[in-house]
Amino acid sequence: GAVVSQHPSWVICKSGTSVKIECRSLDFQATTMFWYRQFPKQSLMLMATSNEGSKATYEQGVEKDKFLINHASLTLSTLTVTSAHPEDSSFYICSALAGVSYNEQFFGPGTRLTVL
Amino acid sequence: AQTVTQSQPEMSVQEAETVTLSCTYDTSENNYYLFWYKQPPSRQMILVIRQEAYKQQNATENRFSVNFQKAAKSFSLKISDSQLGDTAMYFCARLINAGNMLTFGGGTRLMVKP
Repeated sequence: GAVVSQHPSWVICKSGTSVKIECRSLDFQATTMFWYRQFPKQSLMLMATSNEGSKATYEQGVEKDKFLINHASLTLSTLTVTSAHPEDSSFYICSALAGVSYNEQFFGPGTRLTVL
Repeated sequence: AQTVTQSQPEMSVQEAETVTLSCTYDTSENNYYLFWYKQPPSRQMILVIRQEAYKQQNATENRFSVNFQKAAKSFSLKISDSQLGDTAMYFCARLINAGNMLTFGGGTRLMVKP
């Protein structure tokens, strides 16, 4: 099956710093990737849709200047949390659409961000 | 708003028994896809089973099967012969039009007891 990786798997940073999370499709090309946020014991909430070569589409309530998304290639999308604050601490998950079957998303293992 | 609802926050089942997780959804579309995902303690999302709305036959994957009631907008998951490794969060999700985003239900925490 299609494999999606995320790096780092966990990160701890100081308040005010920026953190970059990478999402890679390892064995397929993904024109579309999605970024989700998951709080403890809650469901996944879509933050944005990332399309290769174009600007990301953000969900209502998500600050695009705070959560910068770059989808520079068909196998890599990055999420940068700028000027992180403790309330940004969460579990961030990416997923990618495989070209053969657009109705299935393949999920990365997630990144746990803790902002001190 | 078009939503996905899982009415059971937590469930438990004895090992080797059968359990059914409920899911209802809302949509005005005629063609869509429904999914059940498993999220174990590792938090990796794993696809359990998928159903295309245009297919009347209920999907089955080994011990996992669904009861898809399109008119009622219901999509329940039945796990037969429950195993300890089935302990996880289970999310129901809906996708409208290929390539669009998934809408997730709130999740059901399933505990399989030995």
